[in-house]
Amino acid sequence: NAGVTQTPKFQVLKTGQSMTLQCAQDMNHNSMYWYRQDPGMGLRLIYYSASEGTTDKGEVPNGYNVSRLNKREFSLRLESAAPSQTSVYFCASSLRDVTIYFGEGSWLTVV
Amino acid sequence: GQQLNQSPQSMFIQEGEDVSMNCTSSSIFNTWLWYKQDPGEGPVLLIALYKAGELTSNGRLTAQFGITRKDSFLNISASIPSDVGIYFCAGASGGSNYKLTFGKGTLLTVNP
Repeated sequence: NAGVTQTPKFQVLKTGQSMTLQCAQDMNHNSMYWYRQDPGMGLRLIYYSASEGTTDKGEVPNGYNVSRLNKREFSLRLESAAPSQTSVYFCASSLRDVTIYFGEGSWLTVV
Repeated sequence: GQQLNQSPQSMFIQEGEDVSMNCTSSSIFNTWLWYKQDPGEGPVLLIALYKAGELTSNGRLTAQFGITRKDSFLNISASIPSDVGIYFCAGASGGSNYKLTFGKGTLLTVNP
């Protein structure tokens, strides 16, 4: 069972570069999420998509954009990467409520 | 915003010992979740709690949803080396069904 799959696993970007983190889930879940995890800050919600066709801002949306491409896929885009966006990014999904299941993470370094 | 206080921040125990950790909030939650994260991996859901007073077990793990709706605890019995990791609590209130608030985590080290 793949569950939530996100790519790439590791990425190094230069300041100002753009990139997209891809996420796909095979559990037929309705809702999908992007979190970032930083030391001492815990897990913080960037954006979420309650259902296909909708997206909403979370706690820390600045500097990010998302696309819910279809029910399976939810991508996170950094248009102009900044060192403050160095973090571990987790995609997650849930069927109806907040019982969410995480992917394995994407380690992003912006230099 | 809502905050969760998770304690202890870290624990060092001997294999075979029981472990208890808890989370408290100033706000009422309708859902409590407990996750474990291994190094280099994503958080894995251990136990989900949906009703005040609910007590749920998953193998050697037991978690309870506090009656006040403002706290939850996780117990691990007879710890083993593979229990090592970071344990997170998370809560959600009824007004924001898609937004979990996470605790800062408890780092558990088990000495064989």
